[in-house]
Amino acid sequence: QVQLVQSGAEVKKPGASVKVSCKASGYAFTTYVISWVRQAPGQGLEWMGGISAYNGYTDYAQKLQGRVTMTTDTSTNTAYMELRSLRSDDTAMYYCARDIRYCSGGSCYGYFDYWGQGTLITVSS
Amino acid sequence: QSVLTQPPSASGTPGQRVTISCSGSSSNIGSNTVNWYQQLPGTAPKLLIYSNNQRPSGVPDRFSGSKSGTSASLAISGLQSEDEADYYCAAWDDSLTGWVFGGGTKLTVL
Repeated sequence: QVQLVQSGAEVKKPGASVKVSCKASGYAFTTYVISWVRQAPGQGLEWMGGISAYNGYTDYAQKLQGRVTMTTDTSTNTAYMELRSLRSDDTAMYYCARDIRYCSGGSCYGYFDYWGQGTLITVSS
Repeated sequence: QSVLTQPPSASGTPGQRVTISCSGSSSNIGSNTVNWYQQLPGTAPKLLIYSNNQRPSGVPDRFSGSKSGTSASLAISGLQSEDEADYYCAAWDDSLTGWVFGGGTKLTVL
């Protein structure tokens, strides 16, 4: 069965960086995109970006450009999301999700069919 | 401020039918398909409806989705206490070149 297992909760100081992992199993890892979605306490869902596990192509949400980097390690079927220059408003639950995406002519169709359990990142001095 | 607009709350009694709306624009719902996610308290979101009106395996047929123009709706019939959750709509946005979500609707079963 498809599983996405994320690394554990972390507490970071403002200005620091954090790297969250997402280990996939139960499917052909390089066939899909992995997207990252975060949720601040009591707030809604926010897409951060995605990475193709096939070719490493990334697309990031405009507001996070320059602060986020997504990578994959196909030898261990693991995706990573690194966020730098952390601020207090980066405090959130971070989720990875398998992104079933098909794009053509500038439009994309798809959905997130499996999600990780979430990783709580707390930014506090 | 979310790109897609949902009512913050909805409610119904057991057995009732409730609908949750999701409003967007020509760059997202108007030109792409809509998905719905259910988030039970303290858990990760779960795919509920994809491609406007398709249910993944295991999702009861009490849940249905529809889309018209730049709006979409999620309908839940035969409401049950276990349906109490947050519901989010989502779609790809051609202008932002990324996925966008609604702000979420908290469903209360009275």
